[in-house]
Amino acid sequence: QVQVVESGGGVVQPGRSLRLSCAASGFTFRKYGMHWARQAPGKGLEWVAVISHDGTNIHYGDSVKGRFTISRDNSNNMLYLQMNSLRAEDTAVYYCGKGGTDYGSGIYNWLDPWGQGTLVVVSS
Amino acid sequence: DIVVTQSPDSLAVSLGERATINCKSSQSVFYSSNNKNYLAWYQQKAGQPPKVLIYWASTRESGVPDRFSGSGSGTDFTLTINSLQAEDAAVYYCQQYYSSPQTFGQGTKLEIK
Repeated sequence: QVQVVESGGGVVQPGRSLRLSCAASGFTFRKYGMHWARQAPGKGLEWVAVISHDGTNIHYGDSVKGRFTISRDNSNNMLYLQMNSLRAEDTAVYYCGKGGTDYGSGIYNWLDPWGQGTLVVVSS
Repeated sequence: DIVVTQSPDSLAVSLGERATINCKSSQSVFYSSNNKNYLAWYQQKAGQPPKVLIYWASTRESGVPDRFSGSGSGTDFTLTINSLQAEDAAVYYCQQYYSSPQTFGQGTKLEIK
């Protein structure tokens, strides 16, 4: 079945870096755009970033632009989120999501499915 | 950036009744070249990741009960849940994917009375 599984979360000090990974299976990974979204404890959803099926088109949310980098490895069906200069307000569960359709570049898509998420806590 | 606003923030509806959640975007999310509204609805139950219910504003995801329906176009959208069941208690979000940054509404918490 179609599945995405996040890993790499943990506790990190402000200003430090962390890299999240997302392993995809059950679908032709190279055909789909992929997203990261996050949810701070007790709060709503926030879209973080998207990467096109071939990695050539990337967009970021305003709050992470310039600090986070999304990337993918189509040979190994992996999605990544490199998070630098982390702040307390980056504390959240980070979700990986497959784009809902393989239409076009895969950028403008809903997320389906979502992974179970990985918790990132930024604290000294 | 497109701002997406949901209403109400929370609602309590009796079992078997209808629930209606609204979503308004600050700009149109209708793309005339393909005649589609770039709006999705998600359901998030406690302790679980979100799950898509509706995309293209009105297309029901496979496996989603037909008591869930989406409507609207341009800037105003509605999620309707008929014949409410106990398992429909959740937080519901809309998302515009028309332009980046893509944005979610703030969420609507649905309680079943």
